[in-house]
Amino acid sequence: DQQVKQNSPSLSVQEGRISILNCDYTNSMFDYFLWYKKYPAEGPTFLISISSIKDKNEDGRFTVFLNKSAKHLSLHIVPSQPGDSAVYFCAASATGGGNKLTFGTGTQLKVEL
Amino acid sequence: NAGVTQTPKFQVLKTGQSMTLQCAQDMNHNSMYWYRQDPGMGLRLIYYSASEGTTDKGEVPNGYNVSRLNKREFSLRLESAAPSQTSVYFCASSEEDGFRYNSPLHFGNGTRLTVT
Repeated sequence: DQQVKQNSPSLSVQEGRISILNCDYTNSMFDYFLWYKKYPAEGPTFLISISSIKDKNEDGRFTVFLNKSAKHLSLHIVPSQPGDSAVYFCAASATGGGNKLTFGTGTQLKVEL
Repeated sequence: NAGVTQTPKFQVLKTGQSMTLQCAQDMNHNSMYWYRQDPGMGLRLIYYSASEGTTDKGEVPNGYNVSRLNKREFSLRLESAAPSQTSVYFCASSEEDGFRYNSPLHFGNGTRLTVT
């Protein structure tokens, strides 16, 4: 049972436009969410996170939105740059779960010139 | 800054062979993890060690064993490799409960394992 779902395996966006990556979760115990970015032949690197007490967190070009009632979060990248081309993983955790993260299947973002 | 170092980077095994994947971190982190990544499956937790001297099973522990050798090192052993264990393996480390204080998982660059 996939508790964290990223239903779009890939996304293509033009440079300078907004990229929106989506993530849905089913476990209502999840209360902390993260986005990781992964380049080929490298490990994932942390991008941005959000606690369930917030509905938005911003860091430069990256903003994560959380809709708890819909069990949905999204990552917005504005403006998109070619260097943003990577696989993006959504991850979630629950209080009491330590640092154990449940990951989604990833979305391949391609930013075209 | 080495961070999390995994060896080897690539490995090919025959069914039934054994091997140990090595992982070391130099960030003085308490917690360490082993994940595997398969196409269409995301990253799945195999085993983790919340602190030196403790290990616990994750989501997919069957066919694997781990050793937390000291605070720095956490190894993953395949005693009898199977084709289903063909995957990319990632080691990660973190402060205990670190992500709640902006210290999330730090990953190594992975070991690509093929079992024929």
